[in-house]
Amino acid sequence: QVQLVESGGGLVKPGGSLRLSCAASGFTFSDFYMSWIRQAPGKGLEWLAYISSSGSAKYHADSLKGRFTISRDNAKNSLYLQLNNLGAEDTAVYYCARDPPTVTLDYWGQGTLVTVSS
Amino acid sequence: AIQMTQSPSSLSASVGDRVTINCRASQGIRNDLGWFQQKPGKAPKLLIYAASTLQSGVPSRFSGTGSGTDFTLTISSLQPEDFATYYCLQDYTYPRTFGQGTKVEIK
Repeated sequence: QVQLVESGGGLVKPGGSLRLSCAASGFTFSDFYMSWIRQAPGKGLEWLAYISSSGSAKYHADSLKGRFTISRDNAKNSLYLQLNNLGAEDTAVYYCARDPPTVTLDYWGQGTLVTVSS
Repeated sequence: AIQMTQSPSSLSASVGDRVTINCRASQGIRNDLGWFQQKPGKAPKLLIYAASTLQSGVPSRFSGTGSGTDFTLTISSLQPEDFATYYCLQDYTYPRTFGQGTKVEIK
């Protein structure tokens, strides 16, 4: 069965960096686009970025102001999100999701919590 | 970016009620819309894609309609397990955008 498991979250100081990982299993990872989405405490969902199946195409939300970068390693069945220059507003649960055409975001991981605080 | 506006932001309903949630796009998005259900502490779950296609395993009491700018999610007979927050998402273009959510509470 399709499984997505995020890791790498934790407590980080303002201005710090983190790299989130998403380990995929149960499907041919290299065939699928992938996305990251986040949810601040008590707030709604915010789509962050997508990456094509090969990794050659990416799109990041403008609101991130170039601080976050999506990447993938198909040999390791893994998706990543590099978070730089973190601020309190980045405190959220970060989800990875499979992103096939039309059937958008059909499987999600359980999320990893990032807390930005001094 | 395309703005997605959901209404209402919350509603109270009883088991067995028919519930409708609306989502309006700031520009036409064909039928490139999905609906998600999220329960507290859990990841969102895809219910409907392409505006009206039920995701595998989702009960038939859920249905979606609409095209262009106006979309509706309907729960024909609300069940106890349906109390949750519902989000629409446009996947017509990047950046993808979610509606702000509709919380369905027990009356």
